[in-house]
Amino acid sequence: GAGVSQSPSNKVTEKGKDVELRCDPISGHTALYWYRQSLGQGLEFLIYFQGNSAPDKSGLPSDRFSAERTGGSVSTLTIQRTQQEDSAVYLCASSLGSSAGQETQYFGPGTRLLVL
Amino acid sequence: QQPVQSPQAVILREGEDAVINCSSSKALYSVHWYRQKHGEAPVFLMILLKGGEQKGHDKISASFNEKKQQSSLYLTASQLSYSGTYFCGTANQAGTALIFGKGTTLSVSS
Repeated sequence: GAGVSQSPSNKVTEKGKDVELRCDPISGHTALYWYRQSLGQGLEFLIYFQGNSAPDKSGLPSDRFSAERTGGSVSTLTIQRTQQEDSAVYLCASSLGSSAGQETQYFGPGTRLLVL
Repeated sequence: QQPVQSPQAVILREGEDAVINCSSSKALYSVHWYRQKHGEAPVFLMILLKGGEQKGHDKISASFNEKKQQSSLYLTASQLSYSGTYFCGTANQAGTALIFGKGTTLSVSS
């Protein structure tokens, strides 16, 4: 079956502009995660959605970052007033259920964001 | 807290073995291992859920010592395809996401 898909694959924007990144999880997966990977760094957790529960936003680095998940499926990560330090690869992952510690997370190919 | 991986980088010839370690200052209930090739998404390798558990497939295996709060990934008779960055991940306190280490870069040459 289809894996996690993300769009766009690459995004170049000017400092101060807003960007939207999209994630389509694997069908039937109720948990969805956003991570950020800066050059040469590990994966930094941003936000987690599980079904209709309130999302865990504890990893969002500032109030310029927000995300929503419509209908329990597609998710959009929005970065407002982008800064150069926002440049990174944004990865989305999904898993079957609700226990991140015990489940395989399947990652999408990521969106490479470059803020000029 | 972010788990600590060591070493940061390993260079091997085909057929050689390597060990990558992952340790945490907090109690661990599970450890996940992923491999990421350059420009690609991380790919799941295995999860270890129980103290003292060992798992493996093909020539890659791992152990998890809950008491020592550490896990080790063993790559035996390495192949060119093993090259990439290996990440260990542990669940955050809320159990809602994984906290990953900074990664260990493995380079295998012929």
